[in-house]
Amino acid sequence: EIVLTQSPATLSLSPGESATLSCRASQSVSSYLAWYQQKPGQAPRLLIYDASNRATGIPARFSGSGSGTDFTLTISSLEPEDFAIYYCQQRVYWPLTFGGGTKVEIK
Amino acid sequence: EVQLLESGGDFVQPGGSLRLSCAASGFTFSNYAMYWVRQAPGKGLKWVSSISAGGGNTYYTDSVKGRFTISRDNSKNTFYLQMHSLRAEDTAVYYCATALGSYSHFDYWGQGTLVTVSS
Repeated sequence: EIVLTQSPATLSLSPGESATLSCRASQSVSSYLAWYQQKPGQAPRLLIYDASNRATGIPARFSGSGSGTDFTLTISSLEPEDFAIYYCQQRVYWPLTFGGGTKVEIK
Repeated sequence: EVQLLESGGDFVQPGGSLRLSCAASGFTFSNYAMYWVRQAPGKGLKWVSSISAGGGNTYYTDSVKGRFTISRDNSKNTFYLQMHSLRAEDTAVYYCATALGSYSHFDYWGQGTLVTVSS
């Protein structure tokens, strides 16, 4: 099973600051990694697929990079609505797996 | 507009059974694989099961193999998760999802249905 390790567990930032979230895979997943945002009481929302492609309707301040085992989600300037939990997910191997999440909270 | 609507979540005793349904609309259902993802209270996301577009291929996470069965009825644009021998650790919000844009990256989700397993 591919283990995805997200860091940090919590990121405390102010609106307008930049956020950098990390996801590390236990073995290469090529570029087949996605990022999701989840707010309390809501279903997750796809932000980035295949490492660097923004999903439909996702603002340009969200960007993804990386390949192999190391991936990054960057939020260039945090808006109030961006404070949430973010998960990465790989689609190369069964079982499909998610990372444990990074909570981006208001400082 | 793509919509996924789950139903069937309930309170059930350990060892009991439950069937979840997910009704899909807004896309050609029979062309796409479908997925169940769950989230235990206060925990992260966990993929549970997938079924191919035609229904011929199914996949499960190890902890539900032999207890859960995924199926679909393309004539009704609906797929299902039949759950048997439920355990306390199956307690979660169950989401149905699909991946219209990129295989197995979930771009559409239902609102979730709560399954509570407790005595």
